[in-house]
Amino acid sequence: DTAVSQTPKYLVTQMGNDKSIKCEQNLGHDTMYWYKQDSKKFLKIMFSYNNKELIINETVPNRFSPKSPDKAHLNLHINSLELGDSAVYFCASRLRDYANNEQFFGPGTRLTVL
Amino acid sequence: QKEVEQNSGPLSVPEGAIASLNCTYSDRGSQSFFWYRQYSGKSPELIMSIYSNGDKEDGRFTAQLNKASQYVSLLIRDSQPSDSATYLCAVNDEAAGNKLTFGGGTRVLVKP
Repeated sequence: DTAVSQTPKYLVTQMGNDKSIKCEQNLGHDTMYWYKQDSKKFLKIMFSYNNKELIINETVPNRFSPKSPDKAHLNLHINSLELGDSAVYFCASRLRDYANNEQFFGPGTRLTVL
Repeated sequence: QKEVEQNSGPLSVPEGAIASLNCTYSDRGSQSFFWYRQYSGKSPELIMSIYSNGDKEDGRFTAQLNKASQYVSLLIRDSQPSDSATYLCAVNDEAAGNKLTFGGGTRVLVKP
């Protein structure tokens, strides 16, 4: 299936741990994004990569570090997890076509920090 | 700070009626606008995109854009219980690397 996929779907961990979330898309898109959706369901962008280059870096703690090994993958590593990091993290991708700015979302990773 | 505003709802609509959702945005330079549907516990699903003033229809959905007044709306005709979800308005910022700014969403409840 052509899609944006994320692993894991659920992640439960203790405060202070380091964890990673992986994202892959096989849509042939060249821009990928990480979004955070908090408990109030507000969806906010964190990072964006275009063909392995960081192009959007919102005001997020530097404990969050994205990494893009190639244009089909964008991973998110989080150091020293805090309670406030609990949220659903969505990956999205977009084809860099100036006539079409549609973004497509992965299924999400629900992170719970205890 | 560019903002996108939506009424949080819930918007309660009888089955078969028209649901009307509104969204206003602050960035007058925005050119691309999107409506996403999000079921509880699921990811946002793109249902409409609109780039020009006027109406755009796709099945039971109609998006309306008025750049002068800085609002975009979504009409759902013949509402079905399966349309019950949260609808997210998103505005693209091309100058900021095609960053989507989302509204807080409008929860729609379609009652049989």
